[in-house]
Amino acid sequence: DAKTTQPPSMDCAEGRAANLPCNHSTISGNEYVYWYRQIHSQGPQYIIHGLKNNETNEMASLIITEDRKSSTLILPHATLRDTAVYYCAITAFNTDKLIFGTGTRLQVFP
Amino acid sequence: DTAVSQTPKYLVTQMGNDKSIKCEQNLGHDTMYWYKQDSKKFLKIMFSYNNKELIINETVPNRFSPKSPDKAHLNLHINSLELGDSAVYFCASSQDGRVTDTQYFGPGTRLTVL
Repeated sequence: DAKTTQPPSMDCAEGRAANLPCNHSTISGNEYVYWYRQIHSQGPQYIIHGLKNNETNEMASLIITEDRKSSTLILPHATLRDTAVYYCAITAFNTDKLIFGTGTRLQVFP
Repeated sequence: DTAVSQTPKYLVTQMGNDKSIKCEQNLGHDTMYWYKQDSKKFLKIMFSYNNKELIINETVPNRFSPKSPDKAHLNLHINSLELGDSAVYFCASSQDGRVTDTQYFGPGTRLTVL
């Protein structure tokens, strides 16, 4: 199974863009990149996913490098409520099996 | 309305006991999952069911037995509980279990084995 690597923690000032990196150098051609976040002790919440093109939705943008070995989740204007653990995950072998990384704890400060 | 619900939210029990966690989704999804999150917050899939049929069965001890009475419910029964089973267990569901289907997670059940 492809693995992901994320920094354990990051800080971001409120109102600024938060850029969260994820390394997935062993990803295969048909494996998707997913991002979820977990606020406090709640269940993980879906943010965005992509295969090779950049994606944007109302929550965030996902930038995937051309070689697909890494990606960046961008929260364009971070708020205090975005403080959470952000997980990068890969779908294994064209299945719906999500392989989660260890997550990045994002702290947004005033 | 809660999309994916789990009961109980907290479960404290003694080693050796048998316990069950229930999960229900009202999204009309065909696929449901169980995940385990350990004390280091590592989240790992355990099982998935599609329309009551077992699809994914990771290397989970056979003390863990999922049961799907219908496609809206996926319960997790654990026999002979061990200290290492202490974790937060999350249920999730997706429309059809396709690679592009979003998985929606429940609020979790925190299991503590004493």
